Amino acid sequence: DAKTTQPNSMESNEEEPVHLPCNHSTISGTDYIHWYRQLPSQGPEYVIHGLTSNVNNRMASLAIAEDRKSSTLILHRATLRDAAVYYCILQPTNYGGSQGNLIFGKGTKLSVKP
Amino acid sequence: DGGITQSPKYLFRKEGQNVTLSCEQNLNHDAMYWYRQDPGQGLRLIYYSQIVNDFQKGDIAEGYSVSREKKESFPLTVTSAQKNPTAFYLCASRAHWGNTEAFFGQGTRLTVV
Repeated sequence: DAKTTQPNSMESNEEEPVHLPCNHSTISGTDYIHWYRQLPSQGPEYVIHGLTSNVNNRMASLAIAEDRKSSTLILHRATLRDAAVYYCILQPTNYGGSQGNLIFGKGTKLSVKP
Repeated sequence: DGGITQSPKYLFRKEGQNVTLSCEQNLNHDAMYWYRQDPGQGLRLIYYSQIVNDFQKGDIAEGYSVSREKKESFPLTVTSAQKNPTAFYLCASRAHWGNTEAFFGQGTRLTVV
């Protein structure tokens, strides 16, 4: 399985942009990049996903490097409610058996200071 | 509202007892998953099911059992064979086992007393 590498923790100030990096140097051409986040004592929630082009939705933006070996989740204005663990996960487009499962690493714990 | 529901939120079990955690979804999703999370750790896959009446072991299935008799339900039994069952258990579902978003329940925190 292709692996991802994320910093253990990051800090941000409220109302400032946050850039959460993810390295995935062994990504294959058909792997999608998914991001989830988990607030304390809750289940993870989907944030965004993409393949090659940058993606935007109401929660965040996803910037994907041209060589696809890294990506960055961008929160445009961090709020206290954005304090969570953020997970970067690779998902193959073509899969069989267990390849469709979401495999979570330890993620990045984001702290937001008022 | 559509969603995925886990119950109970907190569960206490005596050593040597089996206990069943409930997971129900009304999203008409084919695939369902059970994860375990220990403090400060990521999620680890226990069991998954891609279709009714079929399920597969994940990375840490020992001491657990599941059933998938209905599309909307995927209960997890923590048996007495599970040596360290105290953990946060999360259930998830997705439309099919592909590039769709997964929806998670709010979790069940199991404590062995």
